[in-house]
Amino acid sequence: TQLLEQSPQFLSIQEGENLTVYCNSSSVFSSLQWYRQEPGEGPVLLVTVVTGGEVKKLKRLTFQFGDARKDSSLHITAAQPGDTGLYLCAGAKGGNYQLIWGAGTKLIIKP
Amino acid sequence: EADIYQTPRYLVIGTGKKITLECSQTMGHDKMYWYQQDPGMELHLIHYSYGVNSTEKGDLSSESTVSRIRTEHFPLTLESARPSHTSQYLCASSDPGQGNTEAFFGQGTRLTVV
Repeated sequence: TQLLEQSPQFLSIQEGENLTVYCNSSSVFSSLQWYRQEPGEGPVLLVTVVTGGEVKKLKRLTFQFGDARKDSSLHITAAQPGDTGLYLCAGAKGGNYQLIWGAGTKLIIKP
Repeated sequence: EADIYQTPRYLVIGTGKKITLECSQTMGHDKMYWYQQDPGMELHLIHYSYGVNSTEKGDLSSESTVSRIRTEHFPLTLESARPSHTSQYLCASSDPGQGNTEAFFGQGTRLTVV
């Protein structure tokens, strides 16, 4: 059973369009992270959200943590080909901060 | 830039061979992890360690073994490689002592067993 569900699994859009990807769970997390992974590389952290309802912006990327700390979204404005990659969310649970990983959203931005 | 290194980056090896994938980090992190990932797919945790002489199996059953004799070093060994072991192996570390759960990843080892 996947504790963190990411949707969509795959998204291919044209440069300049906006998009939102989701990370949902029935579990409460102490924090949630978003990573981006490019082919042949390891994932790299984009952001960590900690407080319910928190919104963080990273240039054209906007991250939101749900009020109940069970879900999160990533919105990209005016997507560019450089945004192409696998976007992974990971929730931290428990006193040892074990990370629970979503299956990822594969994003392709076409020029 | 993360200071965690994996070698080799790519490895093609014959069935039945013993291999060791190396992972080293210079950040002094206590927690280290090995993940298995097919290209573009989800991460599967196969081993983790809370510190020296601590090793635990992850969620995905694996025929590999790990050791943690030094804080900075967390090698993964396959005693007898099989084609089903073909995958990308990612090593990561974290330092949750201050509540920071960020995982720092190496570039991965792409293993092909023929």
